[in-house]
Order: sequence, then structure tokens, then C-alpha cells
Amino acid sequence: GNSVTQMEGPVTLSEEAFLTINCTYTATGYPSLFWYVQYPGEGLQLLLKATKADDKGSNKGFEATYRKETTSFHLEKGSVQVSDSAVYFCALRGGTGGGNKLTFGTGTQLKVEL
Amino acid sequence: GAGVSQSPRYKVAKRGQDVALRCDPISGHVSLFWYQQALGQGPEFLTYFQNEAQLDKSGLPSDRFFAERPEGSVSTLKIQRTQQEDSAVYLCASSTGTGGGQPQHFGDGTRLSIL
Repeated sequence: GNSVTQMEGPVTLSEEAFLTINCTYTATGYPSLFWYVQYPGEGLQLLLKATKADDKGSNKGFEATYRKETTSFHLEKGSVQVSDSAVYFCALRGGTGGGNKLTFGTGTQLKVEL
Repeated sequence: GAGVSQSPRYKVAKRGQDVALRCDPISGHVSLFWYQQALGQGPEFLTYFQNEAQLDKSGLPSDRFFAERPEGSVSTLKIQRTQQEDSAVYLCASSTGTGGGQPQHFGDGTRLSIL
């Protein structure tokens, strides 16, 4: 079945540092890929998505590129802010036999310090 | 516009009691999903509705879990004879259609604690 693997956290960075959170997936066919973010005390929010190979999703300075050859969807941001502190979830939907449900990774906590 | 609304936000129950969790999806959203999120983990799929039809319930952990969406809008997740392992955050999500690229919009969840 489908699965998503994320790098373990917490990841602690200084403000303005470069961020990479690794995400790889296992699925057959052509799933859609998502990054969700959960700020403290809040619900899950969609951050960005990509629906086909080589697509780049972007939002709020975050980017991720759908790499089918490496089955990866790594999240990047060039300069993080304290307000980016949150838990980030990589997820996939669809693919062959995957249906409409989202399959999530375990989440990566990001802490950004001044 | 209003987002996905879940109630109650917090629920404490004694082991063996029945509980009911409510989800109000975004108006007009065809698809509705329930997920269970254990502490420190990602959400795990429970069940999926398209309008009033429950098309996938493969994630329900036991026959104590039951979900319905009788009029294709509000949904209720019911857990009978609760156990301590049922303690988790229960998330509801809705989306406009059934395509794989359609984003799911999540509510804030119901945090269930079983004593």
C-alpha cells in the first residue's frame, strides 16, 4: 500500500536559515503530493501541492518539487522565520488503488529561534 | 466563508461509554473524510463519504466505530464501548470533488480522552 516517510524531528534552526525537510513516498501510479502544516493549537492547513511529476508547488516562500524518479517531495524554504515554527506533514493521495484518502507521514516539528 | 467545524473540541469519557463526534463540512463539499491522529503521529484514515454514501470504511479499527452522513452534509462518528486506545484527536476533512488533486480542508479536530 501507499506510505510516506519523513525525516524525524525536531529540526531546530536559526532565523533566516535554509530549511529542507525530506519526504519520500511509496506508491504505484501517479499520486498527488501535499504538504500540510499544523501551527501550535491549530488544525491542519494545506501548505502546497503538486499533482504530476516535475510539478513544483509553492506558497509562503515554501517550495517542493514532485520527483518521480526519486519518489521524493522535499520541502524547502530559503529563509525561515520564527513564525514558521510548526509541525509539517507530507502526504499523498491517489495513485493506483490509493483511492481518495490521504496517507500522511509522521510529521516533522520545526523550531525556529532568534 | 466558514471552514470545517467539529464539535465538541474536547471530550472526556469513561471506558465503556459511547461517544458521538460531529463534523460540519464546508457547504457544498461532496467528499468528507474522518482521520484519527495519535499523539506525535500523522493522521490515519478512518472512512470516506461521497455525499451520503460511505464509499470506504477500510480504516475503521473495529466494529465499535461507526460513521454516518445521512443527508450528505453533517457527519457523525460514533464510538461504542470506548477503550483507552481510542484516545486520540479525531479530524474531519472535506473537499469539493473526488479528483486526486483536490485538497482536503481540515477542521480543528476533537480531542478524545478515555479514562
